[in-house]
Amino acid sequence: KAGVTQTPRYLIKTRGQQVTLSCSPISGHRSVSWYQQTPGQGLQFLFEYFSETQRNKGNFPGRFSGRQFSNSRSEMNVSTLELGDSALYLCASSLRGVSGNTIYFGEGSWLTVV
Amino acid sequence: AQSVTQLGSHVSVSEGALVLLRCNYSSSVPPYLFWYVQYPNQGLQLLLKYTTGATLVKGINGFEAEFKKSETSFHLTKPSAHMSDAAEYFCAVRRPNFGNEKLTFGTGTRLTIIP
Repeated sequence: KAGVTQTPRYLIKTRGQQVTLSCSPISGHRSVSWYQQTPGQGLQFLFEYFSETQRNKGNFPGRFSGRQFSNSRSEMNVSTLELGDSALYLCASSLRGVSGNTIYFGEGSWLTVV
Repeated sequence: AQSVTQLGSHVSVSEGALVLLRCNYSSSVPPYLFWYVQYPNQGLQLLLKYTTGATLVKGINGFEAEFKKSETSFHLTKPSAHMSDAAEYFCAVRRPNFGNEKLTFGTGTRLTIIP
């Protein structure tokens, strides 16, 4: 069974631009979460989507947004990019509501802002 | 609020020696606990998890961890290190509420294996 798939794997953007990252969850998983990983701040939770609704949100500015489609695929968008947004963005999926469920991660999208 | 402390950002062990990576957590309720491993340029892979039941949990690649409520710890061990164990390891906690999918991670421990 296919794992969590993220695209693109690597991208370079210029400061001030915007970027959209895509995530396809494991088949049957309807919860999708996003995390940012940087050397300085470590792994930080961005937000979680379930049934096309944002269920939980981390402490990030409004430039970071996301959405989920009816097929559970998710996208996250970062507008007005700053140098500090350079990071590995990880998507995770899970069977929400199942006690003790496992959260599975994708390979990540490496974003470099220049 | 929950938090995770991983003692030692870098740990080096000789091949064949015991691996011990430390994790302590803070939570108002007994949490779910996880260890993930990250190899270079890859995502996170689950090693093992504790939710309920037996406090000693076994995971993949010969790793195990023990949940000690009195010590608020969930240390990761492996009896004999292999070169392939070199990676970064993250301890994480999650509140055991239905529908809560948010993981709170520690800062990670980079494990180096000395041949």
